[in-house]
Amino acid sequence: GENVEQHPSTLSVQEGDSAVIKCTYSDSASNYFPWYKQELGKGPQLIIDIRSNVGEKKDQRIAVTLNKTAKHFSLHITETQPEDSAVYFCAASWGYQKVTFGTGTKLQVIP
Amino acid sequence: DADVTQTPRNRITKTGKRIMLECSQTKGHDRMYWYRQDPGLGLQLIYYSFDVKDINKGEISDGYSVSRQAQAKFSLSLESAIPNQTALYFCATSDSRAYNEQFFGPGTRLTVL
Repeated sequence: GENVEQHPSTLSVQEGDSAVIKCTYSDSASNYFPWYKQELGKGPQLIIDIRSNVGEKKDQRIAVTLNKTAKHFSLHITETQPEDSAVYFCAASWGYQKVTFGTGTKLQVIP
Repeated sequence: DADVTQTPRNRITKTGKRIMLECSQTKGHDRMYWYRQDPGLGLQLIYYSFDVKDINKGEISDGYSVSRQAQAKFSLSLESAIPNQTALYFCATSDSRAYNEQFFGPGTRLTVL
C-alpha cells in the first residue's frame, strides 16, 4: 500500500517568514495530493490540493509543488501569520480510492 | 449546524468496557471513514465504507468494529477497551463523484483507564 513520509515534524518560524513542509510517497500510481490544516480542537480541513498532471498550484500565500519523478511534494506558506499556526498533514491517493496521510507537521509562527 | 457531527466529544472509560462512538453527516456523501490520531503518528485509518453495504478494514482495525446504519450514519465500537486505545478519533466523509476531499468531524477524545 501507499506510504507517505512528512518532514519536519515541528517547525517554528518568525512571523512574515516562509515555511516549507515536505512529503514523499511510495506508490507511483498516486495522482492526488491534498494538504490539510488542523487547528487546535478541530478536525483537519483541506487547504489546497494538486493532481499529477500539474507541477505547481498556488492560492494566495499557499503553494504546493509536485515532482512525480522523485515522488515528492511540498507545501509552501509565504508571509506567515500567527493564524497559520496549526498542524499540517500531507496525503496521497490514487483516483477515487482511500487517502493515506503523512504524520503531520506542527507549525508555530512566532509574532 | 455542522455537516459532520460526532458524539460524544469526550469520553473516559475503564479497561474492558464496550464503547460506541457515533458519526452523522448531512452532506449527502456516500463514503465515510473512521481515523485515529495519536501524537507523532498522524491519521491512521481504522475502517471505511464506500456505501451502506460496503465495509472495509483500514490499517489498524484490530480491536474495533463498525456499523453503517444508513448513508448518513457510521458508528465505531470498541468491544473491550484497552488503555492503548486512548486517542483522538475522527469521522470523515467524502463524495465518490468528486476527488477524495475528505470532510472531518470535530473529533472524539477517548481516554481508557
